[in-house]
Amino acid sequence: EAEVAQSPRYKITEKSQAVAFWCDPISGHATLYWYRQILGQGPELLVQFQDESVVDDSQLPKDRFSAERLKGVDSTLKIQPAELGDSAMYLCASSRGETQPQHFGDGTRLSIL
Amino acid sequence: KQEVTQIPAALSVPEGENLVLNCSFTDSAIYNLQWFRQDPGKGLTSLLLIQSSQREQTSGRLNASLDKSSGRSTLYIAASQPGDSATYLCAVRDYGGATNKLIFGTGTLLAVQP
Repeated sequence: EAEVAQSPRYKITEKSQAVAFWCDPISGHATLYWYRQILGQGPELLVQFQDESVVDDSQLPKDRFSAERLKGVDSTLKIQPAELGDSAMYLCASSRGETQPQHFGDGTRLSIL
Repeated sequence: KQEVTQIPAALSVPEGENLVLNCSFTDSAIYNLQWFRQDPGKGLTSLLLIQSSQREQTSGRLNASLDKSSGRSTLYIAASQPGDSATYLCAVRDYGGATNKLIFGTGTLLAVQP
C-alpha cells in the first residue's frame, strides 16, 4: 500500500530559527492532517485540510505556526520562530475522506536547542 | 470535552501470554474508535477500527471490543510475540463533530520478553 511521505525525518535547530516540514499524502486522499506528539503523549491535531481548504486549525498556535496545501496535494507546516517547547514529533496523516481511516507517515522529529 | 485514558501505561509479559489493553473515554457519543501501534521513532499503524454500531473487530491475533455505553474498549492480543513490542494507542472520533478529529490516549508501552 502507498505510504504518506514526510521529510525531513529529523531536524535540529536553534531557538528563534524558522523550520519547515513537508508531507506528501497517499494519492487520492482528500483529507490531510498535521499532528504534534510530545514524548510520552498521544498525538494532538494541529490542522486539518479538506483538499486545499483548512477545516480545523483550532489547536494551531497561529502566532508562530502556519500550514498550507496550495494545490490540495502535498502540504507544508512551518514554525517561526521556533521555541524550546516545540520539540516534538510532527506527524502527517491522510484519509480518503473525513470518516475514513487515517494513514500516518513516519513523522519529523524536531529538537530545538 | 472528550478525554481518553489508557491503562496500564506500561506492560511487560513473557512471550506466548495472552494480554488485554484497556481504553476508556468520557463521552459515549463517538463515531468510531481506532487502535494504533507505534514503534519507537515511527508513525502510527492502524490496527483495528470499530464503528459505533459494532461490538468488536478481529484481525489475526488481535481482537478489539467496544462498549460504548460504558465508555470502554479493550484490545486483546493472543499468543504474544516479541515483535508485538510497541506502544499501543487508542483514539476516538466524536460523533457529529464538524471534523474527523481523533482524540488520542497516552498509550500503553508493551514489552514482550522472549
